[in-house]
Amino acid sequence: KQEVTQIPAALSVPEGENLVLNCSFTDSAIYNLQWFRQDPGKGLTSLLLIQSSQREQTSGRLNASLDKSSGRSTLYIAASQPGDSATYLCAVSDRQGAQKLVFGQGTRLTINP
Amino acid sequence: DAGVIQSPRHEVTEMGQEVTLRCKPISGHNSLFWYRQTMMRGLELLIYFNNNVPIDDSGMPEDRFSAKMPNASFSTLKIQPSEPRDSAVYFCASSLRAGGQETQYFGPGTRLLVL
Repeated sequence: KQEVTQIPAALSVPEGENLVLNCSFTDSAIYNLQWFRQDPGKGLTSLLLIQSSQREQTSGRLNASLDKSSGRSTLYIAASQPGDSATYLCAVSDRQGAQKLVFGQGTRLTINP
Repeated sequence: DAGVIQSPRHEVTEMGQEVTLRCKPISGHNSLFWYRQTMMRGLELLIYFNNNVPIDDSGMPEDRFSAKMPNASFSTLKIQPSEPRDSAVYFCASSLRAGGQETQYFGPGTRLLVL
């Protein structure tokens, strides 16, 4: 059974810093990996989707990398801003259940002005 | 686009009562997902539909839970009878199916409290 782990559970950094969020998964036979953002009391917003054949995806100040063989992904946030404060979740799916996402518990990020 | 619409946004009920959660997916989307989020278990997929047909309900915790999608623009998740351990935030999401490479769009969730 696939398990997704995100460490740390919470992270607090000053504004302007570059930071990395980590995600690991136990079964490397994934179909894709996605990073989501969740604001308090809100639903999830998809940030980036990396297909299993890809190594990374970029969107603005966000860059997500994928290393399938080691079961790891990172989300890099450049020049962090207070508006980046949210919980970030990663999720994976496998080929047999390509639409079924298994989520990590998330990292709660706080950017201090 | 109004996004995924869920109702009610908050529900407080007593143990044993029937609870019905509603979802309107984004127009044109052909996949719909129901999730449950708790502090202990995180975000879990309960069931999903493609073209109004249930594909996988292995995440539905018990027979007390049932979901329907009578048409492309409406789905319900029903809990009967409800129990305190059902207290959670229930999310509905929809997507335009693309072989598993699609983005899921989440609604704002229904916060359920069973007393």
